[in-house]
Amino acid sequence: QSALTQPRSVSGSPGQSVTISCTGTTSDIGSYNYVSWYQQHPGKAPKLMIYDVSKRPSGVPDRFSASKSANTASLTISGLQAEDEADYYCCSYAGSSVIFGGGTTLTVL
Amino acid sequence: EVQLLESGGGLVQPGGSLRLSCAASGFTFSSFGMSWVRQAPGKGLEWVSAISDSGAGTYYADSVKGRFTISRDNSKDTLYLQMNSLRAEDTAVYYCAKGYSNTWGRAMGVWGQGTTVTVSS
Repeated sequence: QSALTQPRSVSGSPGQSVTISCTGTTSDIGSYNYVSWYQQHPGKAPKLMIYDVSKRPSGVPDRFSASKSANTASLTISGLQAEDEADYYCCSYAGSSVIFGGGTTLTVL
Repeated sequence: EVQLLESGGGLVQPGGSLRLSCAASGFTFSSFGMSWVRQAPGKGLEWVSAISDSGAGTYYADSVKGRFTISRDNSKDTLYLQMNSLRAEDTAVYYCAKGYSNTWGRAMGVWGQGTTVTVSS
């Protein structure tokens, strides 16, 4: 049950786009379409941003999009806004367990 | 409004036990799988355990298997995590989370505010 691999940090200026990658294996991301992404602001609980690889829950802006190819999932945030500055975690179902990525800190410059 | 309210955290000595509770409201609790996820100070999220909607299926991370037990009481809309043989590395904020559907591993749609567990002598 090793953690999924995410970059530790990414950054972008307001209005720009950034992409966060999440690399797993054939036992998790590569085998299931249950990839989700969570946003966490400091001192707050995580919030679901993406489920089923690319679906957005109600209320999540369409600036957030995601996809998957083989063992790697990606989250793209377009039109960056100051409030997007947060930690982002990917997550994948892995059979009888769930695995999170190590988290990526997004800094809006 | 869907709400999850954790309780039961606190300071415990190594080797000790704690039982966490998560009171659910605003949805049909018995129709959703539930999970516990923890976050050590300054660290990332770690999935701990999950339980199916009926309670028939339970699942654990290797790091807690044999020490933690997840359970639920659908008549009380409450999720539990019994934690035994606690170690310093179990120190974390523990969140309960509602499955996005009756498939517990699909995603975690709603999270509680968390309860803090500190294991220290």
